[in-house]
Amino acid sequence: KAGVTQTPRYLIKTRGQQVTLSCSPISGHRSVSWYQQTPGQGLQFLFEYFSETQRNKGNFPGRFSGRQFSNSRSEMNVSTLELGDSALYLCASSLASRIEETQYFGPGTRLLVL
Amino acid sequence: SQKIEQNSEALNIQEGKTATLTCNYTNYSPAYLQWYRQDPGRGPVFLLLIRENEKEKRKERLKVTFDTTLKQSLFHITASQPADSATYLCALPNNAGNMLTFGGGTRLMVKP
Repeated sequence: KAGVTQTPRYLIKTRGQQVTLSCSPISGHRSVSWYQQTPGQGLQFLFEYFSETQRNKGNFPGRFSGRQFSNSRSEMNVSTLELGDSALYLCASSLASRIEETQYFGPGTRLLVL
Repeated sequence: SQKIEQNSEALNIQEGKTATLTCNYTNYSPAYLQWYRQDPGRGPVFLLLIRENEKEKRKERLKVTFDTTLKQSLFHITASQPADSATYLCALPNNAGNMLTFGGGTRLMVKP
């Protein structure tokens, strides 16, 4: 089975721009979670989607949004980029609806905001 | 909210020795705790889950303990190898049980 894939792998944007990141979960997985990882704050939960519905949301501003499609693929959007948004964005998929299910992470998208 | 503390300093050990990493948490006791491994430039990889009613869990050279009284989990790698060099993260569910909170991770360096 193919693992979780994320595109693009690297991205450079400037302040004020917006960005869309994509995540394709493992086949059959219906839950997709997004995380932001920075050296200072570590790995922080952004939100989780299950069956096209956002079920859980972390403590991030409304500039961060996402969606999930009927094939479980997910996108994350960040509007009005700030320098502090520079980070590794990771998505993780899991088989079912319980958070304790093993999460399988993708390689991440490294975003640099200039 | 839950605070998770992992030693932010790198742990350097000699090949063949046992590496022991610590994960301390405050506030409520979680129903379970997970350990992940992360290599540079890659996403974390799930290693083990231990539940609150399990004192110890093993998987090959890995052993995890969970002490709800001390609010601590210990992660051991026996007969460590240079290939075990990575950052190890512990993760706990939040109080509502609907999201995972990760520790900052501990970097392990195993020298040949």
